[in-house]
Amino acid sequence: DQQVKQNSPSLSVQEGRISILNCDYTNSMFDYFLWYKKYPAEGPTFLISISSIKDKNEDGRFTVFLNKSAKHLSLHIVPSQPGDSAVYFCAARSYNNNDMRFGAGTRLTVKP
Amino acid sequence: ETGVTQSPTHLIKTRGQQVTLRCSSQSGHNTVSWYQQALGQGPQFIFQYYREEENGRGNFPPRFSGLQFPNYSSELNVNALELDDSALYLCASSAGQAGNSPLHFGNGTRLTVT
Repeated sequence: DQQVKQNSPSLSVQEGRISILNCDYTNSMFDYFLWYKKYPAEGPTFLISISSIKDKNEDGRFTVFLNKSAKHLSLHIVPSQPGDSAVYFCAARSYNNNDMRFGAGTRLTVKP
Repeated sequence: ETGVTQSPTHLIKTRGQQVTLRCSSQSGHNTVSWYQQALGQGPQFIFQYYREEENGRGNFPPRFSGLQFPNYSSELNVNALELDDSALYLCASSAGQAGNSPLHFGNGTRLTVT
């Protein structure tokens, strides 16, 4: 029962360009969405989140967009840097549910 | 601010054995969640502890059990280990049970069952 899907296992972009990572979900009860970044041999690190009352949230180079009607979430990184190379996980849960669901991850490679 | 710490970092066990994994939550966090991450997949929710009681459980059998202590640290116990239990086990703490509280993860314990 995969309620959160990241359909692109990998993405490669040039340094300085925009990285766009995508995520789809099926559970309409989800109202809190997050992105995590994971380096090898480390745990996932919280990056940015958005609640369902918003459609956009920015934090520096990172912007998350939420399209509730399409049940689609995206993360934009501008400009991309080599240090952004990592696996990115999309996650979601409903406000009163402690079971946070994760996608399978997208491996981002930013080339110098 | 002290982050989430987990021990041990790596562990090798034999099928049928029991294992205990440990986690210290981030300072100021009263809720601990455990996740299992198999190779090539995202983390899967095992259970959550709040005020020393289990507060939600994912689709894992009863041989997965846990504890939370008064200082908010936690243990994950797995009995009768199976080969499929080989995975990265992640502990995460948060400032609340759910709501808009992001999880803060430790670096995980890599468990290999042979």
